[in-house]
Amino acid sequence: DIVMTQTPLSSPVTLGQPASISCKSSQSLVHRDGNTYLSWLQQRPGQPPRLLIYKISYRVSGVPDRFSGSGAGTDFTLKISRVEAEDVGVYYCMQATQFPLTFGGGTKVEIK
Amino acid sequence: QLQLQESGPGLVRPSQTLSLTCTVSGGSISSGGYYWSWVRQFPGEGLEWIGYIYYSGSTLYNPSLRSLVVISVDTSKNQFSLELRSVTAADTAVYYCARLPAGREFDYWGQGLLVTVSS
Repeated sequence: DIVMTQTPLSSPVTLGQPASISCKSSQSLVHRDGNTYLSWLQQRPGQPPRLLIYKISYRVSGVPDRFSGSGAGTDFTLKISRVEAEDVGVYYCMQATQFPLTFGGGTKVEIK
Repeated sequence: QLQLQESGPGLVRPSQTLSLTCTVSGGSISSGGYYWSWVRQFPGEGLEWIGYIYYSGSTLYNPSLRSLVVISVDTSKNQFSLELRSVTAADTAVYYCARLPAGREFDYWGQGLLVTVSS
């Protein structure tokens, strides 16, 4: 199985300041079809996960442009340019390049 | 707007079979191009993909659970179901159903159902 490792576990951020989450995979996520199936999910308290970004950097319709994804191969990053109160929650990376699908352990974003 | 809704018992006895159903509304399971999945989230918040089913009935399971899991589909009811047998306390989790397009990202999720395994 591909192991997904996220850091940090927790990210206390001041409102309006940026936040960055790292996700590293135990092997390359480049699929033989040329795509990299790395997505980011947001889970607000008491809610199911919500898809934010797919294939590294494609933002889902309706997701604010303060969210951006980047990376390649085994190293990926989710950035929030200016954290707002509604961004509080746990963020997960997920790989779908190889089955079984696997998730990172999650990063909690909270307001200082 | 597509919606998924899990249903089933919230309490299951150890060694028994956990049975859940996901009802899809606002779209048809039979439309093709999507893999209907089950994902669970343990109390410590970790997420685990259980498996998926295509409308044709073909399935793929997480090898860690393969011998214990059956996912089935009823296209006439626009539902798919999960059976997990011989459960233990370690199977206590929130169970989600979710849609996985061929693009391989979970774009729609149900609200989740907490299932507790306890005697």
